[in-house]
Amino acid sequence: DSGVTQTPKHLITATGQRVTLRCSPRSGDLSVYWYQQSLDQGLQFLIQYYNGEERAKGNILERFSAQQFPDLHSELNLSSLELGDSALYFCASSRGGSSYNEQFFGPGTRLTVL
Amino acid sequence: GENVEQHPSTLSVQEGDSAVIKCTYSDSASNYFPWYKQELGKGPQLIIDIRSNVGEKKDQRIAVTLNKTAKHFSLHITETQPEDSAVYFCAASPQGGSEKLVFGKGTKLTVNP
Repeated sequence: DSGVTQTPKHLITATGQRVTLRCSPRSGDLSVYWYQQSLDQGLQFLIQYYNGEERAKGNILERFSAQQFPDLHSELNLSSLELGDSALYFCASSRGGSSYNEQFFGPGTRLTVL
Repeated sequence: GENVEQHPSTLSVQEGDSAVIKCTYSDSASNYFPWYKQELGKGPQLIIDIRSNVGEKKDQRIAVTLNKTAKHFSLHITETQPEDSAVYFCAASPQGGSEKLVFGKGTKLTVNP
C-alpha cells in the first residue's frame, strides 16, 4: 500500500458526460501528479500540482482540468467524454515538487466510456 | 521535447536467468532516470533510479547502467524469480529535477518457473 488513495476504483459512463476523479496524497506529500495509462500509449503525464499551485503540464486535453485543494487532495475533471478517454488514471504524490522525488502511485481509477 | 524509447515490449525468461531491459532518451539535458515496476492491478512503484553523474547503481539483484554519450540506460535483473513478473517502465527527467518525468511504453516481463 503506497498510502495514496484514489476514488472511485471503477467508473463507467457514456460519451459526452463529465466525471470527477479524486486523489488523496500520502501524509506530508505536497505534490500530486496525474497520469493516463492506456494500452498503446503507456504512462502519459497529464499535470502536476505542488502545494495548491499548478507546477507542470503535460499532454492534458482542454476538456480535462484539475485542481489541488488546501487539504492537498486533488481532483481530475474530465468532460465531454469520448470513447478514446477510456483508460486507467493514476494519481501519484511526492514529498517535494522536483522530479528527483520518488513518486508514490495510487491504485488507479479505471474509466470506461461507452 | 524528451522522448523515451523502451525495448523489448515483452520479455520471457526462465526462473534463475537474467533479464535486461533497455531504454534510449533524446534530450541530452536529462540527468535523472528512474525505473518503476507495475504489478497486475496496482500502480507503478519505484525500484531503482540513477543520476547522470553515476555510471552504474546496484541494489541486490537489480542494477541500472547509464551511458550518457549514447543516451541509453538499462535495467538488469539477475537470478529472476516468478515475483519479478510485472511491467517495468523506464523514465527520464528532461531538465533533471525541475520537469515532469517522461516514461517509456513499458516492458512486460514474465518469469517462468
